[in-house]
This record gives sequence, C-alpha cells and structure tokens, in this order.
Amino acid sequence: EIVMTQSPATLSVSPGERATLSCRASQSVNSNLAWYQQKPGQPPRLLIYGASTRATGIPARFSGSGSGTEFTLTISSLQSEDFVVYYCQQYNNWPPPWTFGQGTKVEIK
Amino acid sequence: EVQLVQSGAEVKKPGESLKISCKGSGYSFTTYWIGWVRQMPGKGLEWMGIIYPGDSDTRYSPSFQGQVTISADKSISTAYLQWSSLRASDTAMYYCARPKRGSYPHDAIDIWGQGTMVTVSS
Repeated sequence: EIVMTQSPATLSVSPGERATLSCRASQSVNSNLAWYQQKPGQPPRLLIYGASTRATGIPARFSGSGSGTEFTLTISSLQSEDFVVYYCQQYNNWPPPWTFGQGTKVEIK
Repeated sequence: EVQLVQSGAEVKKPGESLKISCKGSGYSFTTYWIGWVRQMPGKGLEWMGIIYPGDSDTRYSPSFQGQVTISADKSISTAYLQWSSLRASDTAMYYCARPKRGSYPHDAIDIWGQGTMVTVSS
C-alpha cells in the first residue's frame, strides 16, 4: 500500500510570504495527486487535482507541481484565511481509492 | 447545486448500534461512487470504504473491514454508514465524499458532506 508523507508537519510563515508544502509518495502515483485545504469545523476543500490543476473557484495564489513521487503545493502570498491545514491525497492505485498524507499545518510566524 | 447532506451529530454509549446517513442531490446518485472518511479529534483523514449505489458494489479499507457496514438506498439517493456495537475509539467526525468522475472510485474528491460527529461515551 502506498504511503503519503507530508513535510513539514507545521510550517511557520508570515502573512504575504510564500509557503511551500511537500508531499512524497512511497511509490509512483504518476500525476494522480490532489491537495485539500481544511479549515476548523469544516470538511476538506479540493484545491488541486492532477497534481497541478486548480479546482473550480480556487485562487491563483495556489499552485501545484510534481509527478511520480515528489509533489509541492505553493501558496504564493499567504492571506489570513490560508493559515489552516493542508492534506495531499493519491488516487493512482485501486484499492484503496484514496490515501491521504498526515497533513501540514500552516501557522502565522 | 451538487451536494451531500449528512445526518446530525450523535451521542451514544459503548455497545450501542448506530446508522448515519448521507443524502446526495443535484446529480445522478447511481452513477457516482460515495466513500466514507474518518477524522478522529485533532487527527488526519482516513478512508473507510466506498460504495457504488448503482449496483451496491462495496469495498472496505482493511482497517475497517468487519467494523462497519456501508450501504445505499438508491430510491432515496442516500448512503449509510453503520456500526453494530460502538466503542469509545469510534468517537470521530465522519464525512461522506464523492469523487470527481462518476465511474472512477480512485479520483480526487470534489464534493464532501458537512460531516457527522459521533461521540461514544459511557
């Protein structure tokens, strides 16, 4: 079974600065990688799918890159509402259909 | 509007049974898989299982096989997650979720239910 590892667990960044989050797969998932944002008390929201395609309504400051086993989510200029938790998810293999990373919390520096 | 609406929060005692629901609307319920995801307090997301309401094809994570039952009633566009005997360790938020493409269970998830909080305590 594929294991998804996110780093760092917590990222401290100042508002307006760039945040770079990493996600590594234990074996290739091609480009079948999604990123989600989860705010407290809410379900996750799809940000990126296909490793680099923004979902509907997602601001351009969010971008994804990578393929195979190494992936990155970049938030170009952090806004106050961006200081929450982010998860990556692979959907290349079946079963299971969904394997999530453990999450990265972006906090205010 | 495409949405999944889940049943409300539950407080149960250990050993009790429970069935929570997830009602789909705004799309063809029988042509999209629906999965269940657990999130324990302060923790990450875990896939539990998934069902295709069109023919009730159901798959479980090995971690949850035998611990829960997933079902669907396509006549009322509703999926279910049930326990026959709850434990304190079942205390968590449970989300139903729909992948972007109907016929592919392994896909990004674009629709999430609002979540059902289940608390199991004596």
